[in-house]
Amino acid sequence: ETGVTQTPRHLVMGMTNKKSLKCEQHLGHNAMYWYKQSAKKPLELMFVYNFKEQTENNSVPSRFSPECPNSSHLFLHLHTLQPEDSALYLCASSPTSGSSYEQYFGPGTRLTVT
Amino acid sequence: GENVEQHPSTLSVQEGDSAVIKCTYSDSASNYFPWYKQELGKRPQLIIDIRSNVGEKKDQRIAVTLNKTAKHFSLHITETQPEDSAVYFCAASLNRDKVIFGPGTSLSVIP
Repeated sequence: ETGVTQTPRHLVMGMTNKKSLKCEQHLGHNAMYWYKQSAKKPLELMFVYNFKEQTENNSVPSRFSPECPNSSHLFLHLHTLQPEDSALYLCASSPTSGSSYEQYFGPGTRLTVT
Repeated sequence: GENVEQHPSTLSVQEGDSAVIKCTYSDSASNYFPWYKQELGKRPQLIIDIRSNVGEKKDQRIAVTLNKTAKHFSLHITETQPEDSAVYFCAASLNRDKVIFGPGTSLSVIP
């Protein structure tokens, strides 16, 4: 699959579980993002990575832990989540050079916390 | 930090009519304003963008206007079609790292 892929597409977890979301981009971009999409806040920026370095943390609770081992892969580690964390988690990537700031989104992971 | 507001939250138009969605932003330093379209069950995709050195940009049936002084920008869709039905998000950005999205407008085009 080309573009931005995310796994798993659906995840149900209990509040005491630990799970990870994975994002991979095949576009040669050097910036990657995590967004939370819910009915309350439709597209809420969580984290930004540029060349594997975290450049933005939008006051996200520590129960969400991002990891960017290289420019093509981004993870979101989850532990002791709350039911209000149930949402669609979208990954995106963008180029870091040139005039385009376009973000390319993945299909998302639908997370349900029980 | 930047805050983006968007109106209306829902919009219904008859096929063939025009649709206008308006956004305001708070940070006068923002210089990039994209619009994304998200169809039901799909990922957001960029449809048009504008930079602060341009007042208007057009691409076929869609156009965006920007008023830097008033800090607002608008999306105009002419001759709407059923496939235009989606949620539209405006956004404002100072740099690549932090694109702040508005709350979205759900557009329904009635055949």
